Amino acid sequence: DAKTTQPNSMESNEEEPVHLPCNHSTISGTDYIHWYRQLPSQGPEYVIHGLTSNVNNRMASLAIAEDRKSSTLILHRATLRDAAVYYCTGGYSGGGADGLTFGKGTHLIIQP
Amino acid sequence: KAGVTQTPRYLIKTRGQQVTLSCSPISGHRSVSWYQQTPGQGLQFLFEYFSETQRNKGNFPGRFSGRQFSNSRSEMNVSTLELGDSALYLCASSLALGPNSPLHFGNGTRLTVT
Repeated sequence: DAKTTQPNSMESNEEEPVHLPCNHSTISGTDYIHWYRQLPSQGPEYVIHGLTSNVNNRMASLAIAEDRKSSTLILHRATLRDAAVYYCTGGYSGGGADGLTFGKGTHLIIQP
Repeated sequence: KAGVTQTPRYLIKTRGQQVTLSCSPISGHRSVSWYQQTPGQGLQFLFEYFSETQRNKGNFPGRFSGRQFSNSRSEMNVSTLELGDSALYLCASSLALGPNSPLHFGNGTRLTVT
């Protein structure tokens, strides 16, 4: 089964960049790497996803290691609204049959 | 564009009862998947539907079932409820099947089994 590991929590200061790491050592060649974030009492919100190349959108950047066994979500300038639990997914468990496999998530704390 | 809508938002049931949860996907989205979220196990995949057919199923007992209607709306059913079924049940819709299609989640149904 696909497995992802993330740090339990990270802390950063407002207006500074944040780098959130994720290891997905068992990811298959066709699985995309997804990142989601979740605020209290809400469902997860899509942040970004990619396959092999680094990706940018209005919310964040995604840096994918060349061997694809790890990735880093980059928030370029953190705000208090970025405080959330961030989940990465290393693709489908069981090689494509069972839906996205979420990690346990990183609780990001932003200090003003 | 309206997001994913889940009803009800909260539900309290007793052991042995059954429950049906409802999900309306984003307009135009044809894939609907369900996840269970608990503090101990995190987010776990239940099943995925596309064009009214179950395409994938997670590792949950047969008491958990679902269906999708022709308008892409989906329901999931849990029969013979157990205390361990207490969780946040999340529905997510996406444009298509497959790992290249981001999920858009609803805010979930909080089920408490007493």
